[in-house]
Amino acid sequence: DQQVKQNSPSLSVQEGRISILNCDYTNSMFDYFLWYKKYPAEGPTFLISISSIKDKNEDGRFTVFLNKSAKHLSLHIVPSQPGDSAVYFCAAPRQGYDRDNTNAGKSTFGDGTTLTVKP
Amino acid sequence: KAGVTQTPRYLIKTRGQQVTLSCSPISGHRSVSWYQQTPGQGLQFLFEYFSETQRNKGNFPGRFSGRQFSNSRSEMNVSTLELGDSALYLCASSLAGGATHPPPYEQYFGPGTRLTVT
Repeated sequence: DQQVKQNSPSLSVQEGRISILNCDYTNSMFDYFLWYKKYPAEGPTFLISISSIKDKNEDGRFTVFLNKSAKHLSLHIVPSQPGDSAVYFCAAPRQGYDRDNTNAGKSTFGDGTTLTVKP
Repeated sequence: KAGVTQTPRYLIKTRGQQVTLSCSPISGHRSVSWYQQTPGQGLQFLFEYFSETQRNKGNFPGRFSGRQFSNSRSEMNVSTLELGDSALYLCASSLAGGATHPPPYEQYFGPGTRLTVT
């Protein structure tokens, strides 16, 4: 049972346009969602997050939207740049409130979406 | 601050052999998690160590094991290698412990060890 899903393996956009990456989840206990970005031969790096009590979080060119009723989140990159070309993973770092953070080291990841931004 | 380091970066083994991968976390991070990434797949959680104890475990067979040392460095061992074990093995460290670790609970990843089993 895959609890975090990214249904689009790849996305290609033109430089300067908007990139929209999607993610669906099934576990309503997830209280945070993170996006990671991964370049070849490197490990994933944290990009942006959103709390389940918010519906939007913005950081520069990156905005994440959360639709809790639909169990859906999306990452918007505006404007897209060639350097944004990478694999993007959606992840949930833990399943719900955990006072001692004993399960915060067990993240659930989607399969990733490969974004290609063409010059 | 130095990032997460993993050694070796590349490894080629034959079926039936065993392998040990090493991970040094960011200084001050007590949690070390291991993930397996295969082509077209997301990161599958293997296990997490915190203060030398395995705190969480994923759905992998017992051939996959690990340990953590008192300096938080961690090793992962795979015994009786199978062709399907060929993957990128990623180590991630984080504070992940206690009320002092604020959200959003991000993890910091090493570059990974690419294991090829022939």
